[in-house]
Amino acid sequence: NAGVTQTPKFRVLKTGQSMTLLCAQDMNHEYMYWYRQDPGMGLRLIHYSVGEGTTAKGEVPDGYNVSRLKKQNFLLGLESAAPSQTSVYFCASSYRNTGELFFGEGSRLTVL
Amino acid sequence: LAKTTQPISMDSYEGQEVNITCSHNNIATNDYITWYQQFPSQGPRFIIQGYKTKVTNEVASLFIPADRKSSTLSLPRVSLSDTAVYYCLVGDVLHGSSNTGKLIFGQGTTLQVKP
Repeated sequence: NAGVTQTPKFRVLKTGQSMTLLCAQDMNHEYMYWYRQDPGMGLRLIHYSVGEGTTAKGEVPDGYNVSRLKKQNFLLGLESAAPSQTSVYFCASSYRNTGELFFGEGSRLTVL
Repeated sequence: LAKTTQPISMDSYEGQEVNITCSHNNIATNDYITWYQQFPSQGPRFIIQGYKTKVTNEVASLFIPADRKSSTLSLPRVSLSDTAVYYCLVGDVLHGSSNTGKLIFGQGTTLQVKP
């Protein structure tokens, strides 16, 4: 099992460009999350999903959109990237009846 | 939603026991307390989880008083490899309330273990 896989792992964007981060999990987890982590900071929840076809806002949802069309995938989109979105993005997933979050390795995004 | 407060940093020496306390005054009935460990350039990793009293596994113990307004992660005999950031997460991880799924991390505690 690969666990939680994030692609791409690194990306450099120019201000105003768009991109999508893909999170894929092969553990049949119902719940999926997108967090961002800025240097020296903790994790901030962007959006999350409690099941296929559902999404909800977290702490810092502005400037991001998400979709969960398939249970195993959770996509994070930036429609018009801004330098303030330079960060490391982590995806996580969890099974309904346990509290353990499984994290991906992170995607480092730089917006110039 | 429960807000957590942890010390920003702690120092210890190899072989010592380390206790990291997390304050969560407005913890809700359905909330569990979970601790994660994060190394640089990696995603956080689950350490231990509990609801009340004491939980122990092969790497740590978690102490939760009766009022559940705080919790303490105890790492026995730390080594250099335990140098990391430790996060306390309080939330409805078993999805029994309307706030299910909204899991907010605190700022974390950076533990530095010295030789």
